Amino acid sequence: EPEVTQTPSHQVTQMGQEVILRCVPISNHLYFYWYRQILGQKVEFLVSFYNNEISEKSEIFDDQFSVERPDGSNFTLKIRSTKLEDSAMYFCASRPLWGGASDTQYFGPGTRLTVL
Amino acid sequence: QQPVQSPQAVILREGEDAVINCSSSKALYSVHWYRQKHGEAPVFLMILLKGGEQKGHDKISASFNEKKQQSSLYLTASQLSYSGTYFCGTNAGGTSYGKLTFGQGTILTVHP
Repeated sequence: EPEVTQTPSHQVTQMGQEVILRCVPISNHLYFYWYRQILGQKVEFLVSFYNNEISEKSEIFDDQFSVERPDGSNFTLKIRSTKLEDSAMYFCASRPLWGGASDTQYFGPGTRLTVL
Repeated sequence: QQPVQSPQAVILREGEDAVINCSSSKALYSVHWYRQKHGEAPVFLMILLKGGEQKGHDKISASFNEKKQQSSLYLTASQLSYSGTYFCGTNAGGTSYGKLTFGQGTILTVHP
């Protein structure tokens, strides 16, 4: 069964450093998302991406964050200058089409980001 | 605005039933239920769409009351594997591009 994959599974970085989190969505999916989950808290929406552009972003997704689909398969989240409060699990999700059961979002296994 | 889940936590013995509720103050297009085990990604359980429907597979089912903007997840004859945190994610539709807003989660613990 196709699945969303993410790399790395765990990233440790120093405050102020740039990180890039990578995701490979399911191949025929058209909508892509990043969510994050601070330890012990709920999953929070960061950004949605469709047709090679951001379609919606949350207030968390400030100028330090960017997303890109550099080729036909990868979807990346870049944090330019990491802060301690960016420490969280970051989930990538994808879904195929608008409407009906295909509205389902499939989550990847996540990347645990630790900022020291 | 995030949906509100209740209860916050449930403790069951194997074979007992549970109901988890998810309420929103906004009109919803769909409600998505996920289960997350510690340290893992949320796993999709089911989606309910506007129109007020009921769904189920195995011993887990859910309903969506569009008028009340409320969904309930029913777990019947619980098994140890049901333990985890259950999240509802709501989608307002329209131009939201499928963005899900999650509730705070309900921790379900099933004991032998």
